[in-house]
Amino acid sequence: EAGVTQFPSHSVIEKGQTVTLRCDPISGHDNLYWYRRVMGKEIKFLLHFVKESKQDESGMPNNRFLAERTGGTYSTLKVQPAELEDSGVYFCASSRLIPMGYGYTFGSGTRLTVV
Amino acid sequence: QKEVEQDPGPLSVPEGAIVSLNCTYSNSAFQYFMWYRQYSRKGPELLMYTYSSGNKEDGRFTAQVDKSSKYISLFIRDSQPSDSATYLCAGMGGAQKLVFGQGTRLTINP
Repeated sequence: EAGVTQFPSHSVIEKGQTVTLRCDPISGHDNLYWYRRVMGKEIKFLLHFVKESKQDESGMPNNRFLAERTGGTYSTLKVQPAELEDSGVYFCASSRLIPMGYGYTFGSGTRLTVV
Repeated sequence: QKEVEQDPGPLSVPEGAIVSLNCTYSNSAFQYFMWYRQYSRKGPELLMYTYSSGNKEDGRFTAQVDKSSKYISLFIRDSQPSDSATYLCAGMGGAQKLVFGQGTRLTINP
Protein backbone atom coordinates (compact mmCIF):
# COMPACT_ATOMS: atom_id res chain seq x y z
CA GLU A 1 0.00 0.00 0.00
CA ALA A 2 1.16 3.57 -0.59
CA GLY A 3 2.55 5.32 2.47
CA VAL A 4 1.66 8.62 4.07
CA THR A 5 2.51 11.40 1.64
CA GLN A 6 3.42 14.90 2.70
CA PHE A 7 4.20 17.93 0.60
CA PRO A 8 6.01 20.05 0.18
CA SER A 9 9.04 18.24 1.55
CA HIS A 10 10.72 21.55 2.25
CA SER A 11 9.41 25.12 2.49
CA VAL A 12 11.28 28.34 3.16
CA ILE A 13 9.10 31.39 3.83
CA GLU A 14 9.53 34.82 5.32
CA LYS A 15 8.16 35.78 8.69
CA GLY A 16 4.60 36.98 8.32
CA GLN A 17 3.81 34.86 5.28
CA THR A 18 1.33 32.02 5.10
CA VAL A 19 2.23 28.39 4.48
CA THR A 20 -0.02 25.40 3.94
CA LEU A 21 1.23 21.86 4.50
CA ARG A 22 -0.61 18.91 3.07
CA CYS A 23 -0.87 15.30 4.20
CA ASP A 24 -2.39 12.39 2.30
CA PRO A 25 -2.90 9.48 4.69
CA ILE A 26 -2.92 5.81 3.77
CA SER A 27 -6.21 4.92 2.12
CA GLY A 28 -8.69 3.59 4.67
CA HIS A 29 -6.94 5.13 7.67
CA ASP A 30 -9.52 7.10 9.63
CA ASN A 31 -7.05 8.40 12.21
CA LEU A 32 -4.80 11.23 11.11
CA TYR A 33 -2.28 12.99 13.34
CA TRP A 34 0.00 15.99 13.06
CA TYR A 35 3.25 16.20 15.02
CA ARG A 36 6.09 18.70 15.01
CA ARG A 37 9.76 18.65 15.89
CA VAL A 38 11.50 21.93 16.49
CA MET A 39 15.30 22.10 16.56
CA GLY A 40 16.83 20.28 19.50
CA LYS A 41 13.48 19.21 20.96
CA GLU A 42 11.44 16.04 20.93
CA ILE A 43 8.65 15.33 18.46
CA LYS A 44 5.43 16.75 19.91
CA PHE A 45 1.79 16.03 19.22
CA LEU A 46 -0.26 18.77 17.58
CA LEU A 47 -3.66 17.27 16.84
CA HIS A 48 -5.68 14.18 15.96
CA PHE A 49 -8.49 13.76 13.44
CA VAL A 50 -10.92 10.89 13.35
CA LYS A 51 -12.27 11.03 9.84
CA GLU A 52 -13.15 14.71 9.35
CA SER A 53 -13.61 15.54 13.05
CA LYS A 54 -10.98 16.96 15.36
CA GLN A 55 -10.67 14.46 18.19
CA ASP A 56 -7.90 16.22 20.09
CA GLU A 57 -6.24 19.53 19.27
CA SER A 58 -4.60 20.05 22.64
CA GLY A 59 -1.14 20.32 21.13
CA MET A 60 -1.84 23.18 18.74
CA PRO A 61 0.48 26.01 19.84
CA ASN A 62 -1.80 28.98 19.13
CA ASN A 63 -4.52 30.29 16.82
CA ARG A 64 -2.06 30.94 14.00
CA PHE A 65 -2.31 27.24 13.25
CA LEU A 66 -5.37 25.88 11.48
CA ALA A 67 -5.85 22.24 10.55
CA GLU A 68 -8.56 20.83 8.34
CA ARG A 69 -9.42 17.43 6.97
CA THR A 70 -11.73 17.65 4.01
CA GLY A 71 -14.18 14.79 3.71
CA GLY A 72 -12.08 12.66 5.98
CA THR A 73 -9.38 12.23 3.35
CA TYR A 74 -6.35 14.50 3.06
CA SER A 75 -5.48 17.10 5.67
CA THR A 76 -3.95 20.55 5.54
CA LEU A 77 -2.14 22.49 8.22
CA LYS A 78 -2.00 26.22 7.64
CA VAL A 79 0.27 28.59 9.53
CA GLN A 80 -0.77 32.23 9.22
CA PRO A 81 1.17 34.41 9.83
CA ALA A 82 4.33 32.37 10.25
CA GLU A 83 6.80 33.27 13.00
CA LEU A 84 10.45 32.31 13.37
CA GLU A 85 9.66 29.82 16.16
CA ASP A 86 7.41 27.86 13.80
CA SER A 87 10.48 26.48 12.03
CA GLY A 88 10.82 22.73 12.36
CA VAL A 89 9.79 19.46 10.80
CA TYR A 90 6.06 18.77 10.62
CA PHE A 91 5.10 15.11 10.51
CA CYS A 92 1.79 13.60 9.59
CA ALA A 93 0.81 10.06 10.58
CA SER A 94 -2.21 7.87 10.02
CA SER A 95 -3.63 4.64 11.40
CA ARG A 96 -6.70 2.47 11.20
CA LEU A 97 -9.53 3.14 13.60
CA ILE A 98 -9.31 -0.40 14.92
CA PRO A 99 -7.06 -1.75 16.36
CA MET A 100 -5.79 1.01 18.62
CA GLY A 101 -3.97 3.87 17.03
CA TYR A 102 -0.53 2.86 18.20
CA GLY A 103 0.07 1.37 14.76
CA TYR A 104 0.99 4.74 13.29
CA THR A 105 2.59 5.17 9.90
CA PHE A 106 4.46 8.44 9.59
CA GLY A 107 5.17 10.47 6.51
CA SER A 108 8.64 11.80 5.76
CA GLY A 109 7.72 15.24 7.04
CA THR A 110 7.74 18.81 5.78
CA ARG A 111 10.78 20.82 6.80
CA LEU A 112 9.59 24.39 7.38
CA THR A 113 12.08 27.22 7.66
CA VAL A 114 10.83 30.68 8.56
CA VAL A 115 13.38 33.45 7.91
CA GLN B 1 9.96 17.69 33.84
CA LYS B 2 9.61 15.97 30.48
CA GLU B 3 7.17 13.06 30.37
CA VAL B 4 9.73 10.90 28.54
CA GLU B 5 13.45 11.33 29.12
CA GLN B 6 15.97 9.92 26.67
CA ASP B 7 19.70 10.52 26.38
CA PRO B 8 20.23 12.07 22.92
CA GLY B 9 23.73 10.59 22.63
CA PRO B 10 25.35 10.34 20.19
CA LEU B 11 26.19 6.69 20.75
CA SER B 12 28.83 4.97 18.62
CA VAL B 13 29.60 1.23 18.82
CA PRO B 14 31.48 -1.30 16.66
CA GLU B 15 29.63 -3.67 14.36
CA GLY B 16 28.47 -6.80 16.15
CA ALA B 17 28.16 -5.15 19.56
CA ILE B 18 25.05 -5.34 21.72
CA VAL B 19 23.38 -1.96 21.94
CA SER B 20 21.29 -0.86 24.90
CA LEU B 21 19.00 2.15 24.56
CA ASN B 22 17.00 3.42 27.49
CA CYS B 23 14.26 5.85 28.46
CA THR B 24 12.46 6.79 31.62
CA TYR B 25 8.95 8.17 31.82
CA SER B 26 6.85 9.91 34.42
CA ASN B 27 3.25 9.48 33.21
CA SER B 28 1.65 6.54 35.03
CA ALA B 29 -1.21 6.55 32.51
CA PHE B 30 1.00 5.19 29.73
CA GLN B 31 -0.10 1.69 28.71
CA TYR B 32 1.65 1.32 25.36
CA PHE B 33 5.35 1.81 24.82
CA MET B 34 6.92 2.11 21.42
CA TRP B 35 10.32 2.25 19.82
CA TYR B 36 10.65 4.06 16.53
CA ARG B 37 13.64 4.17 14.20
CA GLN B 38 14.24 7.26 12.12
CA TYR B 39 16.69 7.54 9.27
CA SER B 40 17.92 10.92 8.12
CA ARG B 41 15.26 12.96 6.25
CA LYS B 42 12.66 10.24 6.84
CA GLY B 43 9.72 9.88 9.21
CA PRO B 44 9.78 7.67 12.30
CA GLU B 45 9.20 4.00 11.55
CA LEU B 46 7.60 1.77 14.18
CA LEU B 47 10.12 -0.83 15.29
CA MET B 48 8.38 -2.47 18.24
CA TYR B 49 5.59 -1.85 20.70
CA THR B 50 4.85 -3.33 24.10
CA TYR B 51 1.67 -3.29 26.12
CA SER B 52 2.21 -2.73 29.84
CA SER B 53 5.23 -4.40 31.47
CA GLY B 54 7.25 -7.23 30.03
CA ASN B 55 9.57 -8.23 27.24
CA LYS B 56 9.04 -8.53 23.52
CA GLU B 57 11.50 -9.99 21.06
CA ASP B 58 11.64 -9.58 17.29
CA GLY B 59 14.71 -10.95 15.58
CA ARG B 60 17.75 -9.04 16.82
CA PHE B 61 15.60 -6.56 18.76
CA THR B 62 14.25 -6.90 22.30
CA ALA B 63 12.04 -4.32 24.00
CA GLN B 64 11.58 -4.27 27.76
CA VAL B 65 9.22 -2.26 29.92
CA ASP B 66 9.36 -2.09 33.70
CA LYS B 67 6.34 -0.10 34.87
CA SER B 68 7.38 -0.29 38.51
CA SER B 69 10.49 1.75 37.78
CA LYS B 70 9.06 3.53 34.72
CA TYR B 71 11.94 2.30 32.58
CA ILE B 72 11.90 1.41 28.87
CA SER B 73 14.74 -0.38 27.10
CA LEU B 74 15.62 -1.54 23.62
CA PHE B 75 18.40 -4.04 23.01
CA ILE B 76 19.93 -4.64 19.60
CA ARG B 77 22.00 -7.80 19.20
CA ASP B 78 24.65 -8.31 16.53
CA SER B 79 24.38 -4.67 15.51
CA GLN B 80 24.84 -3.83 11.83
CA PRO B 81 25.87 -0.61 10.08
CA SER B 82 22.34 -0.49 8.66
CA ASP B 83 21.07 -0.07 12.24
CA SER B 84 22.66 3.40 12.32
CA ALA B 85 19.75 5.79 12.87
CA THR B 86 18.00 7.81 15.53
CA TYR B 87 15.97 5.68 17.93
CA LEU B 88 12.93 7.23 19.58
CA CYS B 89 11.06 5.85 22.54
CA ALA B 90 7.44 6.85 23.10
CA GLY B 91 4.59 6.24 25.48
CA MET B 92 0.85 6.36 24.93
CA GLY B 93 -1.99 6.51 27.42
CA GLY B 94 -5.74 6.50 26.89
CA ALA B 95 -5.66 9.33 24.39
CA GLN B 96 -4.18 8.22 21.11
CA LYS B 97 -1.25 10.57 21.16
CA LEU B 98 2.38 9.58 21.36
CA VAL B 99 4.73 11.27 23.82
CA PHE B 100 8.25 10.97 22.48
CA GLY B 101 11.66 11.09 24.03
CA GLN B 102 14.26 13.27 22.35
CA GLY B 103 15.77 10.35 20.44
CA THR B 104 19.22 8.74 20.60
CA ARG B 105 21.48 9.00 17.57
CA LEU B 106 23.19 5.64 17.09
CA THR B 107 26.13 4.89 14.79
CA ILE B 108 27.36 1.35 14.14
CA ASN B 109 30.93 1.40 12.87
CA PRO B 110 32.02 -1.34 10.40
